[in-house]
Amino acid sequence: EADIYQTPRYLVIGTGKKITLECSQTMGHDKMYWYQQDPGMELHLIHYSYGVNSTEKGDLSSESTVSRIRTEHFPLTLESARPSHTSQYLCASSESRRAFFGQGTRLTVV
Amino acid sequence: QKEVEQDPGPLSVPEGAIVSLNCTYSNSAFQYFMWYRQYSRKGPELLMYTYSSGNKEDGRFTAQVDKSSKYISLFIRDSQPSDSATYLCATSNSGNTPLVFGKGTRLSVIA
Repeated sequence: EADIYQTPRYLVIGTGKKITLECSQTMGHDKMYWYQQDPGMELHLIHYSYGVNSTEKGDLSSESTVSRIRTEHFPLTLESARPSHTSQYLCASSESRRAFFGQGTRLTVV
Repeated sequence: QKEVEQDPGPLSVPEGAIVSLNCTYSNSAFQYFMWYRQYSRKGPELLMYTYSSGNKEDGRFTAQVDKSSKYISLFIRDSQPSDSATYLCATSNSGNTPLVFGKGTRLSVIA
């Protein structure tokens, strides 16, 4: 069973605030990903990492940043939250091309 | 053209029906194929994983890959209300690139 954890599960925050969404995995996977998904809509890859100190931007233009200082930890930061950032954010890690997802963080910016 | 095309549905079937979910893809370099199930407000969970062409069966689920026609399918036998979810296909090539996902098909199994 995959062990990948996201916190918080739900977050309501005011416009302009800086927020960090946490993602941790205990499987030792080198590859980690962040996806954005609006309700009932497709997944959009926003950032990924293939190892420590390696990060890449995905297909969706995003105002977020990520860091990968430790293998198990891949946080996503929004420097200044806006209502357009309201969405679900999903973290995943993979080995042998099998990706395992966390339960997601549902972010609402008011 | 998107690399992976998937009919978003929604698809509604009676309990006990055989369900067929499908995706097409355009990149002949894709060799790894996956199906994910996503319940409402949850993260996707890996359901089936196949490499190259052929069939793979796991309980009531069968994944089928036809590389000649670039077509992947998921069959659900004896469908149950608990199968009601969104099903996403995903694929990858042999290189070091992220998975490519379909848009997902929303399935409802009616008791």
